[in-house]
Amino acid sequence: GNSVTQMEGPVTLSEEAFLTINCTYTATGYPSLFWYVQYPGEGLQLLLKATKADDKGSNKGFEATYRKETTSFHLEKGSVQVSDSAVYFCALIQGAQKLVFGQGTRLTINP
Amino acid sequence: GAGVSQSPSNKVTEKGKDVELRCDPISGHTALYWYRQRLGQGLEFLIYFQGNSAPDKSGLPSDRFSAERTGESVSTLTIQRTQQEDSAVYLCASSPAGVGYYEQYFGPGTRLTVT
Repeated sequence: GNSVTQMEGPVTLSEEAFLTINCTYTATGYPSLFWYVQYPGEGLQLLLKATKADDKGSNKGFEATYRKETTSFHLEKGSVQVSDSAVYFCALIQGAQKLVFGQGTRLTINP
Repeated sequence: GAGVSQSPSNKVTEKGKDVELRCDPISGHTALYWYRQRLGQGLEFLIYFQGNSAPDKSGLPSDRFSAERTGESVSTLTIQRTQQEDSAVYLCASSPAGVGYYEQYFGPGTRLTVT
């Protein structure tokens, strides 16, 4: 079945550091891929998405590129801020609209 | 506008008791989803409602779990004879339609603790 594997956390970085959170997936066909973010005390929010190979999703300085050849959708940001501290979830959807999530990566940014 | 709301926000119950969790989707959203997040794990799909179609119950972990939805409004997730492994955050999401992808909007969740 479909599955998502993402980088284990927690990840701790200093402000302005470069961020990469790895995500790989297993799926038949061509799923749509997503990154969701959960800020402390808030609900899960869509951060960015890509619906076909080579698409790049971007939002709030974050980017991720749908790589079919490596079945990956790594999240990157060039310069993180304290306000980026959150839990990040990689997910895919295929067919019947059920999101399949990775286990989440907790990110802490220190000033 | 109002987002997805869930109640209660926290629920502590004794093993063996039944619990009912409520979700109020965004008005006009025809699709509604329930997910479960156990500690240290990703979100697991439980059940999906789309309009008047039969729900997709393929993610329900046992027959102790059931869910209902009245039309395109409120949904309740019921867990009977709760077990400690049911302890988790239960998340509800809604989206404008089920065909093609539309963003799923999540509620804040209900944290269930079974003692």
